[in-house]
Amino acid sequence: GESVGLHLPTLSVQEGDNSIINCAYSNSASDYFIWYKQESGKGPQFIIDIRSNMDKRQGQRVTVLLNKTVKHLSLQIAATQPGDSAVYFCAEPHLNTGKLIFGQGTTLQVKP
Amino acid sequence: GAGVSQSPRYKVAKRGQDVALRCDPISGHVSLFWYQQALGQGPEFLTYFQNEAQLDKSGLPSDRFFAERPEGSVSTLKIQRTQQEDSAVYLCASSPAGQPYGYTFGSGTRLTVV
Repeated sequence: GESVGLHLPTLSVQEGDNSIINCAYSNSASDYFIWYKQESGKGPQFIIDIRSNMDKRQGQRVTVLLNKTVKHLSLQIAATQPGDSAVYFCAEPHLNTGKLIFGQGTTLQVKP
Repeated sequence: GAGVSQSPRYKVAKRGQDVALRCDPISGHVSLFWYQQALGQGPEFLTYFQNEAQLDKSGLPSDRFFAERPEGSVSTLKIQRTQQEDSAVYLCASSPAGQPYGYTFGSGTRLTVV
């Protein structure tokens, strides 16, 4: 079956540094991925998405890179701020059902 | 309201008790999803509605779990005879027509079974 997984459960960075959060997926037919941010006590919040016809997509201070050859995607956060502290999940749709399969998450800790 | 509203925010139930969790989706959103999130884990799909029709309930862990959305708006997730393993955050999300992955999640209900 499908699965998405993150490489590191916790990432600690200094405020102002760039953060890179990684995710691997197993289904080579996957064609759409979403990154979510979940702050304590809240539901996941959409950050950015990418389709498989793209290698890179940029948002405000965030960039997602997709490497289909090795089935890997990453979320890069520039100039990390204390407000970026949260758990980050990658997710992919299950076939065309609307259901999302989430990875286990990486906790980003930003040190002042 | 502007977002997805879930109530209660916290629920403590004694083992064996029945509970009902409510979700008010964003007005006009046709799709509604329930997810279960265990501590330290990613959300796991439970069930999906399109309007009032429950199109997928493959993620419901047992027949003790039941969800409904009778008028295509508010949804209720009911858990009968709660067990300790049911302790988790239950997240509701809704999305508009034509944007199946344009989820907006609620803040969830944290259920603790003691």
